[in-house]
Amino acid sequence: EAGVTQSPTHLIKTRGQQVTLRCSPISGHTSVYWYQQALGLGLQFLLWYDEGEERNRGNFPPRFSGRQFPNYSSELNVNALELEDSALYLCASSLRVTAEAFFGQGTRLTVV
Amino acid sequence: AQTVTQSQPEMSVQEAETVTLSCTYDTSESDYYLFWYKQPPSRQMILVIRQEAYKQQNATENRFSVNFQKAAKSFSLKISDSQLGDAAMYFCAYRSAWGNYQLIWGAGTKLIIKP
Repeated sequence: EAGVTQSPTHLIKTRGQQVTLRCSPISGHTSVYWYQQALGLGLQFLLWYDEGEERNRGNFPPRFSGRQFPNYSSELNVNALELEDSALYLCASSLRVTAEAFFGQGTRLTVV
Repeated sequence: AQTVTQSQPEMSVQEAETVTLSCTYDTSESDYYLFWYKQPPSRQMILVIRQEAYKQQNATENRFSVNFQKAAKSFSLKISDSQLGDAAMYFCAYRSAWGNYQLIWGAGTKLIIKP
């Protein structure tokens, strides 16, 4: 069974640009979570989607947004990129009624 | 709000020996989950072990076991017979049992295995 897959694995963007990161959850998982892992800041919760709806968001500006599709895959969009957005973006999926979250390999975003 | 604290930025252990990583947390909730995740240089976050707060028995997964002290809000990870492949960042994480299901993370402990 395929695990959580994220694309792309790496990308480099220029300050001010926009970026879209993609995540495919484990088959059958309805919840998708996005986390940012920035150097020196640890892991920060970004967004939680379940059954196509945004259920919660962390303390990030509105230029961080996303959505979940009917097949439960998800996109994370970041507008007006800033240098401090450089980080590893991790996607995780879970069954809502269980506790374990399983992670993808992450997308390394570098903003120059 | 819940918080998770890992006070050991780095730990080292000789191969085949035992090491314990510390984690404390703060919450007013009575029902929750605690996890240890491992992040090797490959970056992928791997679940090591989970503990339900309502269970008094400490969780065990092969060489990995926890010491869960609910009253003290402590959740340490013991790795027995350390192997070179155990070298990684280890993160302690908290998740509510109801409502918000996102993970709240500690800062991590870098585990170094000496051959």
